[in-house]
Amino acid sequence: DTGVSQDPRHKITKRGQNVTFRCDPISEHNRLYWYRQTLGQGPEFLTYFQNEAQLEKSRLLSDRFSAERPKGSFSTLEIQRTEQGDSAMYLCASSGGLAGTHYEQYFGPGTRLTVT
Amino acid sequence: AQKVTQAQTEISVVEKEDVTLDCVYETRDTTYYLFWYKQPPSGELVFLIRRNSFDEQNEISGRYSWNFQKSTSSFNFTITASQVVDSAVYFCALSEAGTASKLTFGTGTRLQVTL
Repeated sequence: DTGVSQDPRHKITKRGQNVTFRCDPISEHNRLYWYRQTLGQGPEFLTYFQNEAQLEKSRLLSDRFSAERPKGSFSTLEIQRTEQGDSAMYLCASSGGLAGTHYEQYFGPGTRLTVT
Repeated sequence: AQKVTQAQTEISVVEKEDVTLDCVYETRDTTYYLFWYKQPPSGELVFLIRRNSFDEQNEISGRYSWNFQKSTSSFNFTITASQVVDSAVYFCALSEAGTASKLTFGTGTRLQVTL
């Protein structure tokens, strides 16, 4: 079990550019989550996949953000036309479990985005 | 809406002292789940414990113990005989039934353990 991995670990981009992050969950986990964490705060939920279906999106996820999980395995999070306010740590987590269950989520190391 | 409050922003203790991290939650659901995570300086969140709302038994795991009290909506975490390796930010989190198990986190408590 290699745990949740994220790529890249760090990304510096200029305002207005597009960025894409990748998350590889624990292989047997069917649920995948994206969170955002800013300095001094706890992670905030962005979106959630059950297999390949995106079942919930936070109001934090503006239309510049899009997430996919095409084959129910890895996921990508794209931010278009980045703004300085998008600078944060983007965390991916995965968990197992059937619908209605609330198992613990295992987090990846995160991708730190800096928008200049 | 659910909310988690960790009123202690930062705590400093000397090694071998006991320390308790407070967590107070708000939810309208009768079924919910509480979690603690540790975020060491490396940044990766590490799962520590999950507790469901029907199980008010306290739990002990080595030097760690958790006290869940529904009457006061609290889920406190105690580290006994703290060690330098315990230095980290600790987050309490809540998920409600029917919310796709998304976690609502508190703002965290930074614990600094010195020699």
